Amino acid sequence: EIVLTQSPGTLSLSPGERVTLSCRASQSISRSYVAWYQQKLGQAPRLLIFAASSRATGIPDRFSGSGSGTDFTLTISRLEPEDSAVYYCQQYVGSPFTFGPGTKVDIK
Amino acid sequence: QVQLQESGPGLVKPSETLSLTCSVSGGSFSTYSWSWVRQPPGKGLEWIGYMDYSGNINYNPSLKSRVTISVDTSKNQFFLSLTSVTAADTAVYYCVRQWKYWGQGTLVTVSS
Repeated sequence: EIVLTQSPGTLSLSPGERVTLSCRASQSISRSYVAWYQQKLGQAPRLLIFAASSRATGIPDRFSGSGSGTDFTLTISRLEPEDSAVYYCQQYVGSPFTFGPGTKVDIK
Repeated sequence: QVQLQESGPGLVKPSETLSLTCSVSGGSFSTYSWSWVRQPPGKGLEWIGYMDYSGNINYNPSLKSRVTISVDTSKNQFFLSLTSVTAADTAVYYCVRQWKYWGQGTLVTVSS
């Protein structure tokens, strides 16, 4: 099983700041099968990034993804108040498909 | 516009079977992959199982002995069955198309 570790666990930042979220896999995985999701309280997850760096339809360009091998990153270039959420990374190359434990982003 | 809607009992007794239906509207059914994902209250996401566009099905090994995923393409519906449930199966259950479209989720509580 591919274990995903996310860091940090929680962030508290101000609007306009840049934030970088990390996702590390226990073994190398293809970029094509790495995704990032945003989940706001009481809502279903929303796909932000697929194939490590491709933005899903309708996702603002302040969200970007990068990485390869075992290290992947989600960057929010300029935080907006509505970006307060938990962010999950996911791999779907090898069964079982797994999610990271999430990073909670609070906006001050 | 693609919409997914989960439905089923909100309360299931321990040792019984949890059965959920995902009804899909606004898009083709047979050319996409479909998954069930669950989230215990206050916790993270857990993948349950997946069916690809060819009809191949893959289950999470941790649940494989208890899970069945099936589909009725004529009704645009996707199903989940989880047997011998315990309190640990209490969660919000989501159906997902191609990882992009998610249902709103349905809370299933396992309790006597």
